[in-house]
Amino acid sequence: DQQVKQNSPSLSVQEGRISILNCDYTNSMFDYFLWYKKYPAEGPTFLISISSIKDKNEDGRFTVFLNKSAKHLSLHIVPSQPGDSAGYFCAASVNNDMRFGAGTRLTVKP
Amino acid sequence: NAGVTQTPKFRILKIGQSMTLQCAQDMNHNYMYWYRQDPGMGLKLIYYSVGAGITDKGEVPNGYNVSRSTTEDFPLRLELAAPSQTSVYFCASSDQWTGLSNQPQHFGDGTRLSIL
Repeated sequence: DQQVKQNSPSLSVQEGRISILNCDYTNSMFDYFLWYKKYPAEGPTFLISISSIKDKNEDGRFTVFLNKSAKHLSLHIVPSQPGDSAGYFCAASVNNDMRFGAGTRLTVKP
Repeated sequence: NAGVTQTPKFRILKIGQSMTLQCAQDMNHNYMYWYRQDPGMGLKLIYYSVGAGITDKGEVPNGYNVSRSTTEDFPLRLELAAPSQTSVYFCASSDQWTGLSNQPQHFGDGTRLSIL
């Protein structure tokens, strides 16, 4: 059962515009959410996280929004840069259970 | 700074063979994890360890074994390789359980395993 879903396998945006990556989850017990970035042939690298007691966390150009009632989180990248082109995975955690989405491949065009 | 090192990077196995995927970290992290990623899917947790001598099953442990004799090393063993185990395997480590703190996992670059 896929408890964390990223329904858009790919996203293409113009450099300088906003990139919005979405993630939905089904388990209301998840209490911590993370976004990872991944380049081909490399392991994921941590990007940003948010606790379930918050609804927004910002780090430079990256902002994660959490809507617990909708069981939805999103990652906003503003402004998007060509170097942001990569795979993005959301993950959700509770106790010793960590689940990942299938990822969204972001392409930022110059 | 090496971080998390996985070996080998690529391997082809025949059905029924066994092998050990190596993982080592030099950050003195307590927690270590093994994931597999199948095409078009998210990472799935196979096993994890909270410290030397302590391991526990994740979401998809069948067909695998692990051991944690030292803080640094967390090898993953496939005893009887099956085609369903063709995947990319990632090892990760963290100072604390990621879900309880803002300590993210540090990942290795993966081992691409094909079983034919």
